[in-house]
Amino acid sequence: AQTVTQSQPEMSVQEAETVTLSCTYDTSENNYYLFWYKQPPSRQMILVIRQEAYKQQNATENRFSVNFQKAAKSFSLKISDSQLGDTAMYFCAYNSGGSNYKLTFGKGTLLTVNP
Amino acid sequence: NAGVTQTPKFQVLKTGQSMTLQCAQDMNHEYMSWYRQDPGMGLRLIHYSVGAGITDQGEVPNGYNVSRSTTEDFPLRLLSAAPSQTSVYFCASSYSTGGGYTIYFGEGSWLTVV
Repeated sequence: AQTVTQSQPEMSVQEAETVTLSCTYDTSENNYYLFWYKQPPSRQMILVIRQEAYKQQNATENRFSVNFQKAAKSFSLKISDSQLGDTAMYFCAYNSGGSNYKLTFGKGTLLTVNP
Repeated sequence: NAGVTQTPKFQVLKTGQSMTLQCAQDMNHEYMSWYRQDPGMGLRLIHYSVGAGITDQGEVPNGYNVSRSTTEDFPLRLLSAAPSQTSVYFCASSYSTGGGYTIYFGEGSWLTVV
């Protein structure tokens, strides 16, 4: 079974600075997807960014980018120019390419952006 | 476009009571699923459906039933509520395309069993 590990339970960053959240995963599959979800205090799950494993190019979405290292099974999230609204729990998630219904989540990293 | 709608948002149950969490999506998505989120943990899959009339168990199915009579609706039933089922429940829907897909989540339902 696939597992997702987020080794940083909590992190903090100053407004306007850059922060990187770590995620590693374990799988024997070759075709899969990786995601970062943001969960603010409202508890809504918001998709931040996704990465297809077959793509070598790292995904970017505005201030959010990933460093996808397939051989190392690492998928870190970089947030540039951090804003107060980025304060949230961030979850890394794995999906097998053949099962669109199932995400396997890490335990999350609580990010606090300080003014 | 409402997306994924869950009701109720908050519910308190007594041990042994039964109830149904409703989930509806208006995006004509094939896939729907239910997750639960406990403190200090990510979401865990309870049940899922790959289309109307087809359901299957996820990682933590015990104590829950589901059915999928229409594409739009995917209710989650708690048969006899237990304190261990106190959690936040998320419904999700998704569809497959040649270029990838996205899983959409509802806003969550807070359930407390006393």
